[in-house]
Amino acid sequence: QLVESGGGVVQPGRSLRLSCAASGFSISDYALHWVRQAPGKGLEWVAVISFDGDIQYYADSVKGRFTISRDTSKNTVYLQMNTLKREDTALYFCAREQRGYKPWGQGTLVTVSS
Amino acid sequence: DIQMTQSPSSLSASVGDRVTITCQASQDIINYLNWYQQKPGKAPKLLIYDASNLETGVPSRFSGSGSGTDFSFTISSLQPEDIATYYCQQYDHFPRSFGPGTKVDIK
Repeated sequence: QLVESGGGVVQPGRSLRLSCAASGFSISDYALHWVRQAPGKGLEWVAVISFDGDIQYYADSVKGRFTISRDTSKNTVYLQMNTLKREDTALYFCAREQRGYKPWGQGTLVTVSS
Repeated sequence: DIQMTQSPSSLSASVGDRVTITCQASQDIINYLNWYQQKPGKAPKLLIYDASNLETGVPSRFSGSGSGTDFSFTISSLQPEDIATYYCQQYDHFPRSFGPGTKVDIK
């Protein structure tokens, strides 16, 4: 199971950190991804951290502003989002990679607005 | 970056109809393609992985095929509970990318 938290309303240019708490498995065994969905829009892949934590990749739209990390002692993955823009407004999901993305969390909503 | 396209963007069909969605990648992704179903207000659900493998617990009326750049997803007999948006996704390269989605409705 994956449970996201940390979403909320934030002003443009500010920061926010999302959390994705995993249960029932160890995040050290799987790659974990963040995927977002703007209101009424499709799915957009955001970032991934490898099973060993050594490799991270980002979408061009967030590169240099977002950082994915993890704490294996808490079995939790994070998404640090800096210099937020209005176009970052979305429902943010985390998902485990295992022959496709499964399971997914329920998502946490980030609204960037002044 | 690999661009994914889907067609149609939406469709309306009758219960029991055969429904097919196509997905095209901008370059060869071998068979590194997944299909997801998303119902309103819910997280996506994996239906097909590696282009043609049915995820455990998914009804057999769902199927996928294709390789290289051209893929298809079929519902052999549309059911009312299949109303959803369907997305393809490539995982051959980073950044990963999803198709724009196909919204399926009942006529």
